[in-house]
Amino acid sequence: QAVVTQEPSLTVSPGGTVTLTCASSTGAVIGASYANWFQEKPGQAPRSLIYGTSGKHSWTPARFSGALVGGKATLTLSGVQPEDEADYHCLLYYGDSQVWVFGGGTKLTVL
Amino acid sequence: QVQLQESGPGLVKPSETLSVTCSVSSGSISSHYWFWVRQSPGKGLEWIGRIYYNGNTNYNPSLKSRATISIEMSRKVFSLKLASVTAADTAVYYCAREVNWKVDSWGQGKLVIVSS
Repeated sequence: QAVVTQEPSLTVSPGGTVTLTCASSTGAVIGASYANWFQEKPGQAPRSLIYGTSGKHSWTPARFSGALVGGKATLTLSGVQPEDEADYHCLLYYGDSQVWVFGGGTKLTVL
Repeated sequence: QVQLQESGPGLVKPSETLSVTCSVSSGSISSHYWFWVRQSPGKGLEWIGRIYYNGNTNYNPSLKSRATISIEMSRKVFSLKLASVTAADTAVYYCAREVNWKVDSWGQGKLVIVSS
């Protein structure tokens, strides 16, 4: 089974910009990986932020954006707010086996 | 926006079968895929599997031998059964909806503890 890798932890200052990455052990993340990103806060269910690499839900704040960079899926937060402190999870689709695989998650600290 | 709600026993004995059900409201269960995801204490999210409204399923290979996902259209519910559980299956179990590779709706989660 593929392994999806994210940074275990990142720290950013309020108002700053940070990029989280999501890599696949099988090779480059591509459009057909349909990368989804989720935000999770303690005691709450995950909240969907990004789908299909860069698509935003109606509730996704404008400061969140997704892309493919250097063979990885990325989630960029621009103008970070204190309430963005959370765990962020990426999810990739593997069409050959029709399974989804989560990354290990990134703990983002706003400090 | 569709609403999802998990239900089921919160305590299961080792070697028994864990069962969680997800009720779908404010939306149709026809069409789309329906997911199960879990999160063990202090760990990341793990995709368990999904079911299409027509009954087609896909599973995480690491759980495939023990997991069964089913759907009941008339009751607007889908369910997860996980056999031969151990303490390692203690987790919060979430249901979610996938629409054309877009995961958009989540339940609140159901904590299931495996203990004698």
